[in-house]
Amino acid sequence: GESVGLHLPTLSVQEGDNSIINCAYSNSASDYFIWYKQESGKGPQFIIDIRSNMDKRQGQRVTVLLNKTVKHLSLQIAATQPGDSAVYFCAEAKAAGNKLTFGGGTRVLVKP
Amino acid sequence: DAGVTQSPTHLIKTRGQQVTLRCSPISGHKSVSWYQQVLGQGPQFIFQYYEKEERGRGNFPDRFSARQFPNYSSELNVNALLLGDSALYLCASSLEGRDNSPLHFGNGTRLTVT
Repeated sequence: GESVGLHLPTLSVQEGDNSIINCAYSNSASDYFIWYKQESGKGPQFIIDIRSNMDKRQGQRVTVLLNKTVKHLSLQIAATQPGDSAVYFCAEAKAAGNKLTFGGGTRVLVKP
Repeated sequence: DAGVTQSPTHLIKTRGQQVTLRCSPISGHKSVSWYQQVLGQGPQFIFQYYEKEERGRGNFPDRFSARQFPNYSSELNVNALLLGDSALYLCASSLEGRDNSPLHFGNGTRLTVT
């Protein structure tokens, strides 16, 4: 079936540098993509979302890029901070409803 | 504003027992979804409810059931527990059941089956 996956299971980044987390998806019919941040002992926290009619969306210190041609999604975090250390999940949703299909997650470790 | 609240936070059960997990959505949210997250993996969709009706069901056995109440809170029931049911059970709410409005998750119930 369709799946959402991540290229890198662990990303180490120096504090203050920019982080880029990548995600590949296989369902070309997906209409909606989302990034979540999950800290230890907590549930996933919504970061940013993007619809398939867009290729870029910016939030506070975060940018999501969508390349539908190669079915690729990325999350960029500017000036990474220690508080950004967490597991990041991308997820997709089909147009028909709110069901999310998650990838396996990427752990981001911020080095001081 | 209160986020999605789940109870209990932790639970230990024995194989064969039954468990009920509870969820209160964000005020004003009418859709509730349940996800199972096994350690080291992404959450897996179990159910979605909107206005007390089931809107979707994931690939889980009939031992899993859920319902939504008139106040939009929800319960997830799991019968005949197996060791493999040990996981973090997440509840999420959203404004509507369609239109892909963002899901907001609670902190989950950690279920351990021994």
